[in-house]
Amino acid sequence: AQTVTQSQPEMSVQEAETVTLSCTYDTSESDYYLFWYKQPPSRQMILVIRQEAYKQQNATENRFSVNFQKAAKSFSLKISDSQLGDAAMYFCAYAGNTGKLIFGQGTTLQVKP
Amino acid sequence: NAGVTQTPKFQVLKTGQSMTLQCAQDMNHNSMYWYRQDPGMGLRLIYYSASEGTTDKGEVPNGYNVSRLNKREFSLRLESAAPSQTSVYFCASSEEVAGGLDTQYFGPGTRLTVL
Repeated sequence: AQTVTQSQPEMSVQEAETVTLSCTYDTSESDYYLFWYKQPPSRQMILVIRQEAYKQQNATENRFSVNFQKAAKSFSLKISDSQLGDAAMYFCAYAGNTGKLIFGQGTTLQVKP
Repeated sequence: NAGVTQTPKFQVLKTGQSMTLQCAQDMNHNSMYWYRQDPGMGLRLIYYSASEGTTDKGEVPNGYNVSRLNKREFSLRLESAAPSQTSVYFCASSEEVAGGLDTQYFGPGTRLTVL
């Protein structure tokens, strides 16, 4: 069975600085998607970024980028120029052949002014 | 485009009561999902529907039933609520049928408390 692990329950970053959130996963599938979702205090789950496993190029979305290491089964999220609005819980998630999402435990990000 | 909508936003039940959580999407997506989120944990899949007329169990289906009423709507029913079902419930949808890979889009969630 696939698993997703986020080893950092909490992280903090100074406004305008860069922070990296870690995620590792375990799977025997060769084709899958990986996601980072943001959950602010409103509880809404917001898609931050998506990576297709067959793509070697790391996905980027404005200030958000990933470091996808397929062989190491690692999928970290880098947030550049952190803003107060980035404060939230971040979930790493895996979707394999079934299409069902498997979530990590989440990392709470605090942004300090 | 409202995306994925859920009703109600909040609900308090007594043990043994029943209720139905409603979910609708206007993106013409094929697949729909119900998740629960407990404190300090990620979301866990309760049930999903790959297409209209089909439903399948997820990771934590016990105590729940679902109905895919049509392509837009997917409801979750608690027949006899228990305190262990106190949680935040999320509905999601994606364009691909299960077995395909696609992004899931989430509703705003329903906070359910069972006393």
